[in-house]
Amino acid sequence: KQEVTQIPAALSVPEGENLVLNCSFTDSAIYNLQWFRQDPGKGLTSLLLIQSSQREQTSGRLNASLDKSSGRSTLYIAASQPGDSATYLCAVFSSNDYKLSFGAGTTVTVRA
Amino acid sequence: EAQVTQNPRYLITVTGKKLTVTCSQNMNHEYMSWYRQDPGLGLRQIYYSMNVEVTDKGDVPEGYKVSRKEKRNFPLILESPSPNQTSLYFCASSADSGNTIYFGEGSWLTVV
Repeated sequence: KQEVTQIPAALSVPEGENLVLNCSFTDSAIYNLQWFRQDPGKGLTSLLLIQSSQREQTSGRLNASLDKSSGRSTLYIAASQPGDSATYLCAVFSSNDYKLSFGAGTTVTVRA
Repeated sequence: EAQVTQNPRYLITVTGKKLTVTCSQNMNHEYMSWYRQDPGLGLRQIYYSMNVEVTDKGDVPEGYKVSRKEKRNFPLILESPSPNQTSLYFCASSADSGNTIYFGEGSWLTVV
């Protein structure tokens, strides 16, 4: 069974600092890995999708890397802003059973 | 506009009273799935569907049923709800296993 772990569980940084969020998974048989953002009481918004054959994806201030063989992904958010405060979740889509498994998330607070 | 729509968004019901949470997507997606989100447990997959008339159990299917009679709809049925099914429920869809997953806004369900 796929296990997804996110470290740290919470992070508080001053505005302008770069953020580094980590995600690890136990089974490398995946189609892709996605990073989501969730605001309190809201749904999930997809930030980046990395296919299993890719090493990284970039969108604006966001960059995500994927090392499938070691079961790791990292989300970098450059020059953080208070509006980046949210919970960030990673999810892997397993190619064995078509299940989507989530990590517990990292809750980010960016202080103005 | 691409949308995944869930109804109801908020519901308080009593133990044993059958209820259905509807989910509809307007993107002609093949893959649809249901999740529940609980504090400390994160998001867990209940059921998923690869296409019409094709459904499969996720990690926590007990107490739930689903059907996929049409491509756009994927209702979640609680035949006899119990208090431990009090949770925030999300429906999601994707074109296929290699694409971005879109989430609904969530349905807050309380069983008393």
